[in-house]
Amino acid sequence: DTEVTQTPKHLVMGMTNKKSLKCEQHMGHRAMYWYKQKAKKPPELMFVYSYEKLSINESVPSRFSPECPNSSLLNLHLHALQPEDSALYLCASSQDRGGGWSNQPQHFGDGTRLSIL
Amino acid sequence: AQTVTQSQPEMSVQEAETVTLSCTYDTSESNYYLFWYKQPPSRQMILVIRQEAYKQQNATENRFSVNFQKAAKSFSLKISDSQLGDTAMYFCAFMKHEASYGQNFVFGPGTRLSVLP
Repeated sequence: DTEVTQTPKHLVMGMTNKKSLKCEQHMGHRAMYWYKQKAKKPPELMFVYSYEKLSINESVPSRFSPECPNSSLLNLHLHALQPEDSALYLCASSQDRGGGWSNQPQHFGDGTRLSIL
Repeated sequence: AQTVTQSQPEMSVQEAETVTLSCTYDTSESNYYLFWYKQPPSRQMILVIRQEAYKQQNATENRFSVNFQKAAKSFSLKISDSQLGDTAMYFCAFMKHEASYGQNFVFGPGTRLSVLP
């Protein structure tokens, strides 16, 4: 069982749909992350929520928008996606709060496999 | 920018044997952290082992150990007494702490390890 919960596990959507991916952690972690992983490739960082603010990888298109309702939730809203956005989306969290906590590992969820028709 | 290289796309090992996965990285930073994560077909990223760059002693976690050569920028993973459950994709990761948003993980391309009965 993973301590980072992602829902749904699978999602199929059309290019005109709006959907959301959810990520929740109950470890009291202060930082959360969204990654995109294409098949047989490493994860690539999309967004970071840490130090109580969202940071964005500038290469991520605006059709992806993160939302952080509270410190244990980090959602990813999807709108007008393209077929190339089909991938595994991984959420992670860590205890990072700077200083001596900066070396803490990231804990990952099981991911949401997204398919765009 | 940091880069991580894993020169072995695929490897196989007989059960109970020992295998070493290689990883090299390029950075101008002096303070950073290195990790090995495994990703089995179940797709969750699982932490295997981590190393702080300022520590000379190689990290060890049960059957897993690393050979960290800071001057050579090398960080190999040794798996002893390989088990069928070790079959997975293994990612080497470099982590630097960014002042503005915290942890910046850069993953290598991965090595697919198959443990054969």
